Amino acid sequence: DVKVTQSSRYLVKRTGEKVFLECVQDMDHENMFWYRQDPGLGLRLIYFSYDVKMKEKGDIPEGYSVSREKKERFSLILESASTNQTSMYLCASSIMSLQGTMNTEAFFGQGTRLTVV
Amino acid sequence: QQPVQSPQAVILREGEDAVINCSSSKALYSVHWYRQKHGEAPVFLMILLKGGEQKGHDKISASFNEKKQQSSLYLTASQLSYSGTYFCGTEEPGNTPLVFGKGTRLSVIA
Repeated sequence: DVKVTQSSRYLVKRTGEKVFLECVQDMDHENMFWYRQDPGLGLRLIYFSYDVKMKEKGDIPEGYSVSREKKERFSLILESASTNQTSMYLCASSIMSLQGTMNTEAFFGQGTRLTVV
Repeated sequence: QQPVQSPQAVILREGEDAVINCSSSKALYSVHWYRQKHGEAPVFLMILLKGGEQKGHDKISASFNEKKQQSSLYLTASQLSYSGTYFCGTEEPGNTPLVFGKGTRLSVIA
C-alpha cells in the first residue's frame, strides 16, 4: 500500500517562527502536492512538484515555500508564521501517467493541524 | 477558479439515494472524485475522462458531461459508511493540477 507520512499530526507555533512541515512517500511517486484545508473552502493547492528540485506555485503560494531535495520527501516551509496560516495542511503524491499527466490517483497523508498563536 | 459543488450538505437515511453535482466554467479534461471521512485523509473514488463516460464503484457511480463541464456523483442505497465530505477535482487541458471544489458534506443516518 502507498503510504504518505506527514511528520506531525498537531503543531503549535508562535507568530514569526519559521515552520517546517515534512512529507514522505514510499512509492516512488514523481508528483507531490501541498494543500491547505479550511472549513468551507475545500482543498486549496499551495505548491506542487513533479520531479526532484522542481517546484511550481499553486493557487495560494504567498507566505510559503517548498523544498524537494529527494524524490520521496517534500517539505513545506512557512518563512514567518502568521495567525492566518492556522489550518490543516495535507500532503499528497501521485504517479505520473504514461501520457505524462500528473493527475492520476492521489494518495494523501493524514494531515498536520497547525495552530499559530 | 474552483468548481462549484451542490448541494453543500445533505442528510440521508440509510437506503436513500443522493446526487452530488460539480460544475465548472472552464473546459475540462477530467473530473476526479474523493471522499474524506471525519478526521481522515481524502480517499480517491474515481476519475472520469472527457468522452461522457460513466463509471461505477460498488453503489457509487459518476458521469461526466464535458460539453456542459459538469459531473455528477450518484450514491445508491446509501450506507452509514458513505458519510463524509465529497470533493470533486477538475482538470483543465494542459496537464494543470486539479482544482478542488469546496466539498459536499453527506451524512447518512440510521
